[in-house]
Amino acid sequence: NAGVMQNPRHLVRRRGQEARLRCSPMKGHSHVYWYRQLPEEGLKFMVYLQKENIIDESGMPKERFSAEFPKEGPSILRIQQVVRGDSAAYFCATRPESAGNTIYFGEGSWLTVV
Amino acid sequence: QQQVKQSPQSLIVQKGGISIINCAYENTAFDYFPWYQQFPGKGPALLIAIRPDVSEKKEGRFTISFNKSAKQFSLHIMDSQPGDSATYFCAASGSGGYQKVTFGTGTKLQVIP
Repeated sequence: NAGVMQNPRHLVRRRGQEARLRCSPMKGHSHVYWYRQLPEEGLKFMVYLQKENIIDESGMPKERFSAEFPKEGPSILRIQQVVRGDSAAYFCATRPESAGNTIYFGEGSWLTVV
Repeated sequence: QQQVKQSPQSLIVQKGGISIINCAYENTAFDYFPWYQQFPGKGPALLIAIRPDVSEKKEGRFTISFNKSAKQFSLHIMDSQPGDSATYFCAASGSGGYQKVTFGTGTKLQVIP
């Protein structure tokens, strides 16, 4: 996990507020994946991005969720108008351009909606 | 066809015993099979991985066995220790270009003294 930085680690939001989760990849990594993990459940793929491009967003809810990975700065997962069901751990994973398929996870951001 | 099925959902093993977790896949385009270990409150960490050109890979007490014809692979933890208590995820992906990593549902392992 060393090197993939996620923040905030813990975030509390009231229903209807916005949550922004940030992921700074390891140095040299240009591919970012976001996963959601509900308590006692597995890792559910949400979106895959490469610098400035969304490659696959098949796991993203159609409404309220968006992701970006700008040319400069971290990748951001944005959840608008949060609801209690959004409470989960959100993990970012990254990999470099040319080092095979291994992805490396950050420590996660725990979102609690009250 | 993108699913990876993992079993058991939970596992209790005595210290010193062998822990075995199984996974099966359907997509024959998958050619990379990693295992991740996750402790509570932490992100998943890569434990060991295998490609289908070998049937077994061993790293310390951890061994992956791979059966290409059956499309199954398993993780064996020899001499299981209480410190191995964690959730284990198998995963699979293809290679080249865009590759989404598909995870199994996880196995919660508890090693009791």
